[in-house]
Amino acid sequence: QQQVKQSPQSLIVQKGGISIINCAYENTAFDYFPWYQQFPGKGPALLIAIRPDVSEKKEGRFTISFNKSAKQFSLHIMDSQPGDSATYFCAASMGYRGSTLGRLYFGRGTQLTVWP
Amino acid sequence: GAVVSQHPSRVICKSGTSVKIECRSLDFQATTMFWYRQFPKQSLMLMATSNEGSKATYEQGVEKDKFLINHASLTLSTLTVTSAHPEDSSFYICSATRSQTDTQYFGPGTRLTVL
Repeated sequence: QQQVKQSPQSLIVQKGGISIINCAYENTAFDYFPWYQQFPGKGPALLIAIRPDVSEKKEGRFTISFNKSAKQFSLHIMDSQPGDSATYFCAASMGYRGSTLGRLYFGRGTQLTVWP
Repeated sequence: GAVVSQHPSRVICKSGTSVKIECRSLDFQATTMFWYRQFPKQSLMLMATSNEGSKATYEQGVEKDKFLINHASLTLSTLTVTSAHPEDSSFYICSATRSQTDTQYFGPGTRLTVL
């Protein structure tokens, strides 16, 4: 059972455009929602993370929007660049205080391609 | 930022041999470490969670006798793939968290190829 559902599977965006990736979850015990960026042959790198008490968080060109009532969160990449071409994973966890010691439940990933 | 290293980055071995992969937190003490495997164009699949000084907790379907995990110190965890077979070929990635924080820092991964 997929605890975190991510869409779309792939995304093609023109340089300078906005990339939007969506995720949804069911478990209301989740209280930490990070986004990771992964380049081929590399480990994932943390981009940005949010907690349910905040509806939006922005870091540079990356913004997370969080809708607690809908149990959805999304990543927006503004002014997308060819260097942003990578696979993006959303994830959720119950936090280190939870019974699963902060275990991350990952979405299936979105392959983003930004055309110059 | 926190840095996690893995060694080796690539390993090729013959079927039936054992391979050890090291995961180190270079600039922080990691109370919890996680081991994942990832197949091409797929998501990360958690194999096990380990805390320093205690036995690892394996995910359902992961053979604990085949994938031996040792978390001997607050900066080092090892994954040993015993009697490796071609179907064990994959990208293995570790991650680590600081005490009382949620952020997981990932290593660069180890590409295992079993011939």
